[in-house]
Amino acid sequence: AQSVAQPEDQVNVAEGNPLTVKCTYSVSGNPYLFWYVQYPNRGLQFLLKYITGDNLVKGSYGFEAEFNKSQTSFHLKKPSALVSDSALYFCAVRDPYNNAGNMLTFGGGTRLMVKP
Amino acid sequence: EPEVTQTPSHQVTQMGQEVILRCVPISNHLYFYWYRQILGQKVEFLVSFYNNEISEKSEIFDDQFSVERPDGSNFTLKIRSTKLEDSAMYFCASSEDRTSGGGTGELFFGEGSRLTVL
Repeated sequence: AQSVAQPEDQVNVAEGNPLTVKCTYSVSGNPYLFWYVQYPNRGLQFLLKYITGDNLVKGSYGFEAEFNKSQTSFHLKKPSALVSDSALYFCAVRDPYNNAGNMLTFGGGTRLMVKP
Repeated sequence: EPEVTQTPSHQVTQMGQEVILRCVPISNHLYFYWYRQILGQKVEFLVSFYNNEISEKSEIFDDQFSVERPDGSNFTLKIRSTKLEDSAMYFCASSEDRTSGGGTGELFFGEGSRLTVL
């Protein structure tokens, strides 16, 4: 079974400071990992993914994430936060080899609040 | 940029009534999904659909739920007899065809259909 955990319900950061949103996962093999962002009353927007290759993945809006196999983590980062980054962030995992439905399993979400 | 579209954006219904939520996936995608989200909380998988049949479903997707692709463009979710706890935001998504070892493509989500059951 595949699962993902986001240990923080909310992350607060000042504008201009670096931000980290944490994610850990559990799959039986090598994972495919994704980050999505949800703005109020909107759908989920894809930010970035890790499939294979470099552990540091760069995505939309200046976000990046680092895959760490030994720690089973895929934390989302940004060097300098913007107030407009304030949103709900979801980490998701897919186990490509034990997943007939090709589905993603989402974490519980982390609300990012960036204050001016 | 191609996008997934969903209708209606909001539906209010009485408990026990049937509801059909509609989705138009991205045209060259072959995997389709329904997820739901209750009150801005966790996004829960309902069902995935490929090659005109359900490929996987969750325990949430009981006999009250069904999906259909009635033509070449629409993908629908039907709730036969709604319950209060079915109130949620329902998201349709689509993704590219599955490659060997599992699809590497991300899911593209619609803006959601908010269902309120009274």
